[in-house]
Amino acid sequence: AQTVTQSQPEMSVQEAETVTLSCTYDTSESDYYLFWYKQPPSRQMILVIRQEAYKQQNATENRFSVNFQKAAKSFSLKISDSQLGDAAMYFCAYNPLYSGGGADGLTFGKGTHLIIQP
Amino acid sequence: DTEVTQTPKHLVMGMTNKKSLKCEQHMGHRAMYWYKQKAKKPPELMFVYSYEKLSINESVPSRFSPECPNSSLLNLHLHALQPEDSALYLCASSQGALAGRETQYFGPGTRLLVL
Repeated sequence: AQTVTQSQPEMSVQEAETVTLSCTYDTSESDYYLFWYKQPPSRQMILVIRQEAYKQQNATENRFSVNFQKAAKSFSLKISDSQLGDAAMYFCAYNPLYSGGGADGLTFGKGTHLIIQP
Repeated sequence: DTEVTQTPKHLVMGMTNKKSLKCEQHMGHRAMYWYKQKAKKPPELMFVYSYEKLSINESVPSRFSPECPNSSLLNLHLHALQPEDSALYLCASSQGALAGRETQYFGPGTRLLVL
């Protein structure tokens, strides 16, 4: 079974600074997807960024970028120029490329609560 | 457009009530999901419909019953719930490509309180 670990329950950063959220995962698969989702107090789960394991290039979306280290099974999220609107719970998630049958869905980490200090 | 809609936004029900949650998407996605999320916890998968075929998380009690009338609509029927079933219920959809599930897009959720 796959597991996703986020070792930072809470992080705090000054507005306009850069912050990195950590995520490690365990899987025996060679092809899979990794995601970062953001969940603000409104509770809507919003996709931040996605990475396909077969792509060596790290994904970027505006101020958000990832550092994907496949051999180390590490998938960290860097947020540059932090804004007050970035305050939320951030979840790292794993999805296999090929379903093994049954209800597999997304495997989530426990989340990191990001606080932005004005 | 990556919109998934859910109704109602909030629901309060007694343990003897029967109610239903509704989820809808018009992105042509062929896979739809129900997740349950307790406070300060990550979402947990309950059910998946992929190409109208149902997959069930075996730990979900039978008082939750999913229904997929068509590929755009997903319902969750609730009957004889317990107070511990109070949670945020999230619906998601994805393209459901036969080779994999791809990106899941979430609705805003239904906040359920069971008294």
